[in-house]
Amino acid sequence: SQQGEEDPQALSIQEGENATMNCSYKTSINNLQWYRQNSGRGLVHLILIRSNEREKHSGRLRVTLDTSKKSSSLLITASRAADTASYFCATQDAGGTSYGKLTFGQGTILTVHP
Amino acid sequence: KAGVTQTPRYLIKTRGQQVTLSCSPISGHRSVSWYQQTPGQGLQFLFEYFSETQRNKGNFPGRFSGRQFSNSRSEMNVSTLELGDSALYLCASSPSRGQLNTEAFFGQGTRLTVV
Repeated sequence: SQQGEEDPQALSIQEGENATMNCSYKTSINNLQWYRQNSGRGLVHLILIRSNEREKHSGRLRVTLDTSKKSSSLLITASRAADTASYFCATQDAGGTSYGKLTFGQGTILTVHP
Repeated sequence: KAGVTQTPRYLIKTRGQQVTLSCSPISGHRSVSWYQQTPGQGLQFLFEYFSETQRNKGNFPGRFSGRQFSNSRSEMNVSTLELGDSALYLCASSPSRGQLNTEAFFGQGTRLTVV
């Protein structure tokens, strides 16, 4: 079953603009991860944020996590046409029984126009 | 370092048949997980293997099964195929399931079409 909602479902922007995607989840988590998928191919890991972290940066990516609201956001700054893809958040539930299992959101389709 | 390799990339099968998909994890990775991706249900966890043992299982019928070999390579099998089994099947590997906060490395997937 899906963990929660991603918002928006689709986002269309111009090159150079920033893109923000939001993710909500339902359970206590060990960590939250963001992945990118191009045209129905494999997923590429972007960034992982632990449950005790609030913000993390990696290049043009900035991720925030609010465990009290069970939500996360992914910000891509200065978007490029090559960023066009589907973006998914995924959570690893708290507790050792969830090792090896990720629960994914529905995804946000990002289109960056040149 | 080679990535996660899934074979075949594409498959067309007839209802009622069975299918076996293969996944070779990144060298040294011992945990292999499988996911099904469909437009309607999104990405759903199938099962996870570590040290040749299934450690975790998603909410799928018994027609879906898998195994892992001593070299960490994994296969998943779907018997008595149904039209609804048409999907992209993704395999992911991780170094070890004992480590918290470990990212998963995904293969390119196997696109299964059931006709």
